[in-house]
Amino acid sequence: AQTVTQSQPEMSVQEAETVTLSCTYDTSESDYYLFWYKQPPSRQMILVIRQEAYKQQNATENRFSVNFQKAAKSFSLKISDSQLGDAAMYFCGLPYGGSQGNLIFGKGTKLSVKP
Amino acid sequence: ETGVTQTPRHLVMGMTNKKSLKCEQHLGHNAMYWYKQSAKKPLELMFVYSLEERVENNSVPSRFSPECPNSSHLFLHLHTLQPEDSALYLCASSRGSRGWGGYTFGSGTRLTVV
Repeated sequence: AQTVTQSQPEMSVQEAETVTLSCTYDTSESDYYLFWYKQPPSRQMILVIRQEAYKQQNATENRFSVNFQKAAKSFSLKISDSQLGDAAMYFCGLPYGGSQGNLIFGKGTKLSVKP
Repeated sequence: ETGVTQTPRHLVMGMTNKKSLKCEQHLGHNAMYWYKQSAKKPLELMFVYSLEERVENNSVPSRFSPECPNSSHLFLHLHTLQPEDSALYLCASSRGSRGWGGYTFGSGTRLTVV
């Protein structure tokens, strides 16, 4: 069965510094995507970045990048130059279920940004 | 505007009430999803609709009844709920049925059952 584990319930970072959120997963699929979503207090889940498992190159979106280690089934999110607006819950997600793109998520990491 | 709109934003209902949650998207997506988000628990997938057909019912109690009349609208009909059903209910949509392009989520309905 597919699982997603986020081992850090809470993290804190100083504004302008860098923080890394960890995610490990398990899947029997050979071809899949991985996602990081952000949920600010407004409650809307916002897609931050996605990684295609067959691509060795780590995905990057502005200040957000991932460290994808397929063999280790690790998918961490690095936020550089942290901003106050980055404060939110962050969820790692993995699709499962054969032909249907059902996403399963980890329990989330609450990120606080200190001014 | 998120692209996926959920109404109402907040809902308080008694255990004997019947209410419905609404989700609407005009992104041209062909798959829609209901998730339940409870405190300190992972998001739980409840239902999946692909091309207006239900393709997943993730062991959800029958007091939750989904309806997808067309590819742009998704409802969750609620009746005789329990206090433990209080949660944030999130709707999402995706372009393909595999969801590999990622989901677009709504802002959720905060449901309180009293």
